[in-house]
Amino acid sequence: RKEVEQDPGPFNVPEGATVAFNCTYSNSASQSFFWYRQDCRKEPKLLMSVYSSGNEDGRFTAQLNRASQYISLLIRDSKLSDSATYLCVVYSGNTGKLIFGQGTTLQVKP
Amino acid sequence: GAVVSQHPSWVICKSGTSVKIECRSLDFQATTMFWYRQFPKQSLMLMATSNEGSKATYEQGVEKDKFLINHASLTLSTLTVTSAHPEDSSFYICSATPRGGRALETQYFGPGTRLLVL
Repeated sequence: RKEVEQDPGPFNVPEGATVAFNCTYSNSASQSFFWYRQDCRKEPKLLMSVYSSGNEDGRFTAQLNRASQYISLLIRDSKLSDSATYLCVVYSGNTGKLIFGQGTTLQVKP
Repeated sequence: GAVVSQHPSWVICKSGTSVKIECRSLDFQATTMFWYRQFPKQSLMLMATSNEGSKATYEQGVEKDKFLINHASLTLSTLTVTSAHPEDSSFYICSATPRGGRALETQYFGPGTRLLVL
């Protein structure tokens, strides 16, 4: 079983749609959680950290459920520029490593 | 913001040759640098962790004699793919953690190096 699992998609949505991505992780000792964005043939870039209380950054909302070991990302009012692959990333202080999910691909169409 | 560069950005080489990739932290000192590899439609996989002045720690399944890592200074780490073969063709990405940073979770990524071995 992969340590971090995501639905690879692709998710094809029209502009203005709301889309949600889910992620599960297997290591209950994981300490920190992130969503990264990766554009085609580029490096990943930090989109936002994820906290248990939930956090929002503009059109993006992230949620963490430690009991279920589940992370989500909600994108409201999708823009064409949101088209990318979204990576769920988990950090464990025990190992000192970031573990990346496979990524979920989003295509926003006009 | 913290900037990490990689050079070259892409390289094409013949099978059997060695390729060196440089990773530099441009505006900060990095105590720890990480090397990742990403195959098409797959996630980033950590290859090794390197600390300045010490030997790199390799992940299971990564051959240390094939992927030579040198972290000679607080701003430079190099990855040498020795005797490259077509199956080594991939996207190699480095990241760096600032000295005195909060934790290893804070990693700044380089733009990546695309390697194609013919």
